[in-house]
Amino acid sequence: GNSVTQMEGPVTLSEEAFLTINCTYTATGYPSLFWYVQYPGEGLQLLLKATKADDKGSNKSFEATYRKETTSFHLEKGSVQVSDSAVYFCALSGNTGNQFYFGTGTSLTVIP
Amino acid sequence: NAGVMQNPRHLVRRRGQEARLRCSPMKGHSHVYWYRQLPEEGLKFMVYLQKENIIDESGMPKERFSAEFPKEGPSILRIQQVVRGDSAAYFCASSPLGSGANVLTFGAGSRLTVL
Repeated sequence: GNSVTQMEGPVTLSEEAFLTINCTYTATGYPSLFWYVQYPGEGLQLLLKATKADDKGSNKSFEATYRKETTSFHLEKGSVQVSDSAVYFCALSGNTGNQFYFGTGTSLTVIP
Repeated sequence: NAGVMQNPRHLVRRRGQEARLRCSPMKGHSHVYWYRQLPEEGLKFMVYLQKENIIDESGMPKERFSAEFPKEGPSILRIQQVVRGDSAAYFCASSPLGSGANVLTFGAGSRLTVL
């Protein structure tokens, strides 16, 4: 079956530090992969996505590369800001494109 | 173009009452998903619907919970005889018809508190 596993939090970083949030997946076929972000008190927002192997999704200086050989989609940012404090969810959609599977979320706090 | 609209944003119920949460999908979207987020936990899939049709309800508790998406009007998640453990944020998301790398668009959530 399909599933997503992401690193447990919470993660606390100083401003301008390098961020990595690990995400691995199990899927049949060729899923699409996503990172969503949830700011306090709000719903989830799409951060970036990748639809096939070796694709790199990027947005707001966040990046993630779809690695089929390691079944991973790790989120990275070179220099985090306080405003990046949020919960980050890794997700995949199955072959039909209409079934979505989310990880448990990783809470990030960036301190000045 | 309004996004996914959920109401109420906050709902307080006493044990044993009913809770009804509404979701209007984004314009042009015909698929609706409901998720539950418990405090300090991740996002749990509940149900996936198209108009007048439940596609997947594998995440719905077998009792007290039901969902519908009528031909006209919003999707409704109904919780009967609420208990304290139902206190959570309930998120609705929608996506357009069709296969491929569809993206979910989420609403801001409805936060249910059961006293």
